[in-house]
Amino acid sequence: DSGVTQTPKHLITATGQRVTLRCSPRSGDLSVYWYQQSLDQGLQFLIQYYNGEERAKGNILERFSAQQFPDLHSELNLSSLELGDSALYFCASSERLASSYNEQFFGPGTRLTVL
Amino acid sequence: AQSVTQPDIHITVSEGASLELRCNYSYGATPYLFWYVQSPGQGLQLLLKYFSGDTLVQGIKGFEAEFKRSQSSFNLRKPSVHWSDAAEYFCAVGSNNAGNMLTFGGGTRLMVKP
Repeated sequence: DSGVTQTPKHLITATGQRVTLRCSPRSGDLSVYWYQQSLDQGLQFLIQYYNGEERAKGNILERFSAQQFPDLHSELNLSSLELGDSALYFCASSERLASSYNEQFFGPGTRLTVL
Repeated sequence: AQSVTQPDIHITVSEGASLELRCNYSYGATPYLFWYVQSPGQGLQLLLKYFSGDTLVQGIKGFEAEFKRSQSSFNLRKPSVHWSDAAEYFCAVGSNNAGNMLTFGGGTRLMVKP
């Protein structure tokens, strides 16, 4: 158990819909990362937040957005869903953003199925 | 841009045999390198990491990896594979620029024959 929690574990929805995935980082971690794992794209970095501020962006679609709240939990919002958005979405957290590299701890993931 | 290549998509080994999973990376500076394992239906578990220092790093579950800068490689090894090692293995490189995002390789699926 990494200490990172994600809800829900599974999500099934229809094309065109909007969903919200939630992540609670490990206690004390200020950085949250979102990754997408799909069959065709593999594991891809989407976005990172640090203490409420967006820090880095990867291959995140414009239909997707995220935020980190004052209590440090994060939400990933996916809208106008398409079949190709079906994937496993991971959240990870790390201790702080500093000059040294900080190890990331991964949650169990949310499996999204778009029908 | 950084990238990671895992040349072997699938590998099958017999239980008790040795294992080596290959990983090649491309990164402009000193890399932060990781190996993760993902069992079916599970999340990612960190096996080991290399930040600096000794180029042979030990991890959990009897795994080790060797960083070879001249070959841009970070291969994962285990002397004797157990049936429970069947899983997908991901090599990753971490960036220290504008965040600490990880770039993953495509993964190697390991199957273990009894």
